[in-house]
Amino acid sequence: DGGITQSPKYLFRKEGQNVTLSCEQNLNHDAMYWYRQDPGQGLRLIYYSQIVNDFQKGDIAEGYSVSREKKESFPLTVTSAQKNPTAFYLCASTKSRRENQPQHFGDGTRLSIL
Amino acid sequence: DAKTTQPPSMDCAEGRAANLPCNHSTISGNEYVYWYRQIHSQGPQYIIHGLKNNETNEMASLIITEDRKSSTLILPHATLRDTAVYYCIVRGTNAGKSTFGDGTTLTVKP
Repeated sequence: DGGITQSPKYLFRKEGQNVTLSCEQNLNHDAMYWYRQDPGQGLRLIYYSQIVNDFQKGDIAEGYSVSREKKESFPLTVTSAQKNPTAFYLCASTKSRRENQPQHFGDGTRLSIL
Repeated sequence: DAKTTQPPSMDCAEGRAANLPCNHSTISGNEYVYWYRQIHSQGPQYIIHGLKNNETNEMASLIITEDRKSSTLILPHATLRDTAVYYCIVRGTNAGKSTFGDGTTLTVKP
């Protein structure tokens, strides 16, 4: 079955440590997205990529970095510069950048600070 | 992209229709209305979307007003498994600008 796989499901970070969250899709989608969700709140866009080797900052990119070397992969690195990284992170994809394409979401990674 | 306004919570009796409203008064002509729902600790699930005509699929119906400033998601026969947070968003040509507000928490009661 096609879909989006996020790993790991749970992740713990020590102070001053960088961690990388994985997002892989086998839907042959061009566009991919990373969102952050805090308890009781909606999703906020961190980064998005509409094509391989290209990505743009979203609303809350500070303290995060991404790469898009392959169409199916869009890893997110939470750097030590992100002072409040504890949150639920969601990856999504769309077939293209066109406005009539629904987003498909993974099941998320929950990041906590040790 | 236009922002949306939804009531924070709603209740619905099991077996009855659930009608979830959404205001998007600043929507532009090329922006679509999307609805998603999220069950606790899972990723959002796509439900339905539309531009200006009413839409129906196996999950729900979407009614968009003629001026496109508001819409209603209808779950025709709500079940306990429909208890979730429902998000209404609008999205245009800028694929990176889909703003998810805080959504409506729908609780279906027996």
